Amino acid sequence: SQQGEEDPQALSIQEGENATMNCSYKTSINNLQWYRQNSGRGLVHLILIRSNEREKHSGRLRVTLDTSKKSSSLLITASRAADTASYFCATAPLSNDYKLSFGAGTTVTVRA
Amino acid sequence: NAGVTQTPKFRVLKTGQSMTLLCAQDMNHEYMYWYRQDPGMGLRLIHYSVGEGTTAKGEVPDGYNVSRLKKQNFLLGLESAAPSQTSVYFCASSSTRDRPFYEQYFGPGTRLTVT
Repeated sequence: SQQGEEDPQALSIQEGENATMNCSYKTSINNLQWYRQNSGRGLVHLILIRSNEREKHSGRLRVTLDTSKKSSSLLITASRAADTASYFCATAPLSNDYKLSFGAGTTVTVRA
Repeated sequence: NAGVTQTPKFRVLKTGQSMTLLCAQDMNHEYMYWYRQDPGMGLRLIHYSVGEGTTAKGEVPDGYNVSRLKKQNFLLGLESAAPSQTSVYFCASSSTRDRPFYEQYFGPGTRLTVT
């Protein structure tokens, strides 16, 4: 069964605006990862946050993790047309941590 | 490095036909995975392998078989295709060097239609 659920399902923003998407999960995790999928392509790893971390940055990406609420958020700042994609959160369990469980994704459209 | 490659990219099958999807990785990764992606469902794990000669069932293994005879290759077989197996199939790999923070590397996908 899917562990993570993303919210919203779809998001449309203007170029230059920020995009925020959320992920909720059900059981304790080792880490949480975010992936991007451009249309017709495979998934690409964006960022990983460990269970003992609360916030992590990578370029224009900011990820937060609240293990007490079992939730994470991904913020993309100053969005560009190239950020148009689907974004998936994936959780790694405490045991068998190589097996990721993916959510259904958030589709982000950045309008020029 | 080519990373993870998948063959074929597209395929149309008739119900009852069989086929094999090939995944190859050149990163010397120990772990390999097969997923299917359906609209609104995200990725669901079909089978996975933690090393050459080993395979295990994932979340949705019924109707599929796999083999990992060589470390770099992971094959997914459909013995008797059904319309419910119409999907996009992704292969991925990860390395034990990243333990316990396994990032997965994905192939470009195979779009399979069963009529």
